[in-house]
Formats: sequence, C-alpha cells, structure tokens
Amino acid sequence: DQQVKQNSPSLSVQEGRISILNCDYTNSMFDYFLWYKKYPAEGPTFLISISSIKDKNEDGRFTVFLNKSAKHLSLHIVPSQPGDSAVYFCAAILGFSDMRFGAGTRLTVKP
Amino acid sequence: DTGVSQNPRHKITKRGQNVTFRCDPISEHNRLYWYRQTLGQGPEFLTYFQNEAQLEKSRLLSDRFSAERPKGSFSTLEIQRTEQGDSAMYLCASSLVQGNSPLHFGNGTRLTVT
Repeated sequence: DQQVKQNSPSLSVQEGRISILNCDYTNSMFDYFLWYKKYPAEGPTFLISISSIKDKNEDGRFTVFLNKSAKHLSLHIVPSQPGDSAVYFCAAILGFSDMRFGAGTRLTVKP
Repeated sequence: DTGVSQNPRHKITKRGQNVTFRCDPISEHNRLYWYRQTLGQGPEFLTYFQNEAQLEKSRLLSDRFSAERPKGSFSTLEIQRTEQGDSAMYLCASSLVQGNSPLHFGNGTRLTVT
C-alpha cells in the first residue's frame, strides 16, 4: 500500500526560480516527515524534516510546509540552483522504524 | 568517520546462488536499517537493529533473507537461492537512538540476478 505518494515523477525549473515538490500521505498517524535528496550512484541524503506539530520548517533555501488537514507536505527550494538537480524523496515516520518513502520526484534545474 | 559504508557496490549473480552484503554504520549510531529500492520506487523498509537486537522485520523479508548484526557494529544481509525478482539496490542506513534522528544512508549495493 502506497501510504506516501509523490505524484509528479519529474519537475523542471529555471535556475533562480522556485522549485516546489509535493507529497501526499494517507495515514494520519504519521508524526514526522522528512525530505531526502539522492544523486545517481549515491544513497539518499537527509535534507530537512518537520514534526507533525509544526506547519513550517525552514533551513536556508529549503522550506518544508505541512498541511495536516490535507495530508500534504511540500518542499520549496528558492532560489533553485543547478546543483539541486537530483531525485527528491518524501518520507514519513510512524514510530521509530516504520519510515515510508514516496517514489521520488526528479528535479532538473536548468541554467 | 566517513559515513555508512556498504560492500560490495555491485554484485552480479546467477539465479539460485547465495549472496551476502555488508554494512558498516556510522560508529556512534545504535540503530541500523536495511532498505530495498527498485527502479522508480522509493526505498522499502526490510528490517532494523538496535545494537545487536533485530527489532523488526518487514513482511517483504522472505525466509530466503536473513540479516545479522552480531556485535552491534557491522551488519550482513544474506539472500539465499536468489531469484531474478531480488534484483534491486539494497540500502543500509544508521541513526542515533534518540527521537526522530534522521537516517544516514550508505551508497547501496546493486544486486543483479541473471
């Protein structure tokens, strides 16, 4: 069962513009959400997280928004840079071990 | 410490053979996880250890799969009688015990079963 969904397999944006990656989840018991970035031939790298008690977390160019009523979170990258081109995975945690990942969105930032 | 290390990076094997992968976590991390990732999908949880104890196994982990972490440091994942459907990237991750400490992933072992 796909409890975490990233419905856009790919996204292309121009350098300097905002990138918005979206993620939807179905299980209201998830209490922590994370975004990972993955380059080819490397494992996923932790990017930013948000607790279910918050609706926004910001770290430099990266901001994650959580809308619990809609069971939706998004990652905003502004300004986007060519080095941000990667696959981005949304993940949700239920307890310590039960981390569910979305299928990923491939972001391409064009110079 | 340079992060989570996985060996080998690539493994090609014939159907029916046994394979074993190794993971060396970040040294101060108590938790160690195994995930599997197939093309176009996100990582899927297989199992996790806290120190040497295997605390949870996914139903994805069939009887042909076994994981160990004998001394609470490195871990091995063995697949017996490999099948073509086992072809995937096997990712290891580690984390600290406290709270929602993020997982730190290795670069994975890509298994191809011919």
